[in-house]
Amino acid sequence: SQQGEEDPQALSIQEGENATMNCSYKTSINNLQWYRQNSGRGLVHLILIRSNEREKHSGRLRVTLDTSKKSSSLLITASRAADTASYFCATDGQGAQKLVFGQGTRLTINP
Amino acid sequence: DTGVSQDPRHKITKRGQNVTFRCDPISEHNRLYWYRQTLGQGPEFLTYFQNEAQLEKSRLLSDRFSAERPKGSFSTLEIQRTEQGDSAMYLCASRQGKETQYFGPGTRLLVL
Repeated sequence: SQQGEEDPQALSIQEGENATMNCSYKTSINNLQWYRQNSGRGLVHLILIRSNEREKHSGRLRVTLDTSKKSSSLLITASRAADTASYFCATDGQGAQKLVFGQGTRLTINP
Repeated sequence: DTGVSQDPRHKITKRGQNVTFRCDPISEHNRLYWYRQTLGQGPEFLTYFQNEAQLEKSRLLSDRFSAERPKGSFSTLEIQRTEQGDSAMYLCASRQGKETQYFGPGTRLLVL
């Protein structure tokens, strides 16, 4: 069973625009991670945000975490065609050892 | 390349046959995970090892599935008497302690 829900399920924007994806989860967490997956490939780790952090940046990526609302968002600024992929959030629960993934957001960047 | 490798990358088999997949984690990582991903879905946890001990198994892991991690290094996932519903991407991940999980490229299984 999947813990979270991601919104939107699909997003199509023009190159250069910003893309925002949201993730909600259900249980208490140690951290939340975002991954990218190109079609038919493995998952690439993007960023990890711990439960006591509210915001984190990495290059063109900005992640926020609101533990009171059990939600997170991933912002990709100045999008590029190479950003076209599926993006997943995954939670690392307290006392649990496994990641629980959402269903992902399919992002398409149009040139 | 994350440093986690999986073999084979693709496997086509007939229903009823047995298949085995291999995962080589990042060498210093003590924890190894197997996930399954079907089309359009996020990965779902199957099982995990800490060193050579298999510490948790999902209800998704039926009796036809078995995983091993001898000597706490590489791991194998075997599916016996494959069914069409086993068709999926099988992903392996590893990590040290409670840090980031790094995923391999996956093995895509198609059962005909």
